[in-house]
Amino acid sequence: GNSVTQMEGPVTLSEEAFLTINCTYTATGYPSLFWYVQYPGEGLQLLLKATKADDKGSNKGFEATYRKETTSFHLEKGSVQVSDSAVYFCALSTSRAGGTSYGKLTFGQGTILTVHP
Amino acid sequence: DTGVSQDPRHKITKRGQNVTFRCDPISEHNRLYWYRQTLGQGPEFLTYFQNEAQLEKSRLLSDRFSAERPKGSFSTLEIQRTEQGDSAMYLCASSFSLRDRSNTEAFFGQGTRLTVV
Repeated sequence: GNSVTQMEGPVTLSEEAFLTINCTYTATGYPSLFWYVQYPGEGLQLLLKATKADDKGSNKGFEATYRKETTSFHLEKGSVQVSDSAVYFCALSTSRAGGTSYGKLTFGQGTILTVHP
Repeated sequence: DTGVSQDPRHKITKRGQNVTFRCDPISEHNRLYWYRQTLGQGPEFLTYFQNEAQLEKSRLLSDRFSAERPKGSFSTLEIQRTEQGDSAMYLCASSFSLRDRSNTEAFFGQGTRLTVV
């Protein structure tokens, strides 16, 4: 079956520090990979995605590259801000039809990020 | 359209009681998903609908759980004879399934937090 493993948190950084949150996966078929973010009091939001090997997803200064050889999709940001404090979830989905499926998702356990001024 | 809405936001119930949650998806979305999230964990897939048809159910969805989407619009999730282990956040998401069976991004509601005492 499908599974996602994220680095354990919480992660605490100072503003402008470099961020890496590790994510590895196991999946059958050809998964699409996602990072979701959950800000305090809000619902899950899609942060970025990659649908095939070597794709790089990026949004709001965050990046992640789909590495099939290492089954990884690590999230990075060069300079974090206080407003980036949130819970980050790595996730994947597979589609039996072969098309990109954003629906049925398998999530990691989440990583709490706190950024201090 | 203001996104996916869930009602109620919070529910406290006594063990053994029945509870029902409602989800209103984004109006043009034909797919609707239910997830459960316990403290410190990522969301876990429960079930999903394509229009009014329930196409997949997780093994997590015991006989005490039932979900419906009678007219292909809103959905309800009922838990009968609640147990303390049912305490969790119940999340709803919706997406649009395209002709090639791929999906648009899944949008999540803010969830219903259930506490069974």
